[in-house]
Amino acid sequence: AQKVTQAQTEISVVEKEDVTLDCVYETRDTTYYLFWYKQPPSGELVFLIRRNSFDEQNEISGRYSWNFQKSTSSFNFTITASQVVDSAVYFCALSEGGRGSQGNLIFGKGTKLSVKP
Amino acid sequence: GAGVSQTPSNKVTEKGKYVELRCDPISGHTALYWYRQSLGQGPEFLIYFQGTGAADDSGLPNDRFFAVRPEGSVSTLKIQRTERGDSAVYLCASSLTFRETQYFGPGTRLLVL
Repeated sequence: AQKVTQAQTEISVVEKEDVTLDCVYETRDTTYYLFWYKQPPSGELVFLIRRNSFDEQNEISGRYSWNFQKSTSSFNFTITASQVVDSAVYFCALSEGGRGSQGNLIFGKGTKLSVKP
Repeated sequence: GAGVSQTPSNKVTEKGKYVELRCDPISGHTALYWYRQSLGQGPEFLIYFQGTGAADDSGLPNDRFFAVRPEGSVSTLKIQRTERGDSAVYLCASSLTFRETQYFGPGTRLLVL
């Protein structure tokens, strides 16, 4: 069965600290896609990144970086030098790519990040 | 360009009433998904449309829930005989085609009294 686990319910850091949000996934498919979305207090889910199962290269985008490790079924997200505007709930999600899958997203429960000035 | 839009942004209704929630996807996106998000939880899949047809409705909780997309663009989620447990944020997302990146609308916050 497919599942996404975000073990950290809430994290609080002080501005400029680095913070890592953990994501562990389960799937039987060999082809799948992993995502991170940000949900600020306004409520709208904002797409951050998509990764397919065949591409284990880490990715960096400004202060954001992602570490994908198939060996541990993890797709962790690091924010470097956090800022108050990073305060939000962050969701990790999985979409299976096997035959018969329709692309619907399976979300974790989210990690609420609070960055204090 | 315009993103996914949803109306109304908030809906308050009484138990037993019928409600319709509307989603207008990104122009040109053929795939449309509905999700429901309860407080403190991640969104949960309800139904997926590819074009006009519901390709997967396995996430609909019961037969009080129904959705349509008659012309392959705008979709309406319909809930009959609403119950207090239906209170949640209903999210719509669209993608160019299935398995592509989904972009979400702002959601409709439904409160059933």
